[in-house]
Amino acid sequence: RKEVEQDPGPFNVPEGATVAFNCTYSNSASQSFFWYRQDCRKEPKLLMSVYSSGNEDGRFTAQLNRASQYISLLIRDSKLSDSATYLCVVNTNNAGNMLTFGGGTRLMVKP
Amino acid sequence: EAQVTQNPRYLITVTGKKLTVTCSQNMNHEYMSWYRQDPGLGLRQIYYSMNVEVTDKGDVPEGYKVSRKEKRNFPLILESPSPNQTSLYFCASSFSPSDRNEQYFGPGTRLTVT
Repeated sequence: RKEVEQDPGPFNVPEGATVAFNCTYSNSASQSFFWYRQDCRKEPKLLMSVYSSGNEDGRFTAQLNRASQYISLLIRDSKLSDSATYLCVVNTNNAGNMLTFGGGTRLMVKP
Repeated sequence: EAQVTQNPRYLITVTGKKLTVTCSQNMNHEYMSWYRQDPGLGLRQIYYSMNVEVTDKGDVPEGYKVSRKEKRNFPLILESPSPNQTSLYFCASSFSPSDRNEQYFGPGTRLTVT
């Protein structure tokens, strides 16, 4: 089993739709969780950190479920510019100094 | 401007010819790391460094070396490149990986080994 798993997609959605991605992780001792966005052939950039209480940033909401060991990202009112690959990132060693990336979920928002 | 720079951005080389990809950050970050990204495998960590003179292996360190003599620089060395090291390489830095600090990525280096 991979340490961090994501559905690769692609998720094809119309503009204005709400879309949700999940990511599962295997190390129950993981403490830090992030969502990054990567545009084609570009470097990943931080979208948001994921806190235990959940957090929201505009149209984006991230949730953490420690019991089931997954994190989620919800995007409301999708825009064409949201088309990208979304990477789930978890620190996966007990010292907390190694980050593991999921394979990414590709989102395509269509007009 | 706060940034991570990598050079070269594109490199085509032949098997066995030693090469170095440089990485430099101007944010006084302690933590730096190298990743490779391959289709279907995502980003995988090669090496990371918690601070000057402190480096550790990531998931896929075989065939790579790194050094951290100065805080701002973290070069990736391929002593004898092979075709299976053809990949897109990213350098990244942050204050720390274990709290909520953002990892800043360089623009990437596309390496082809023939």
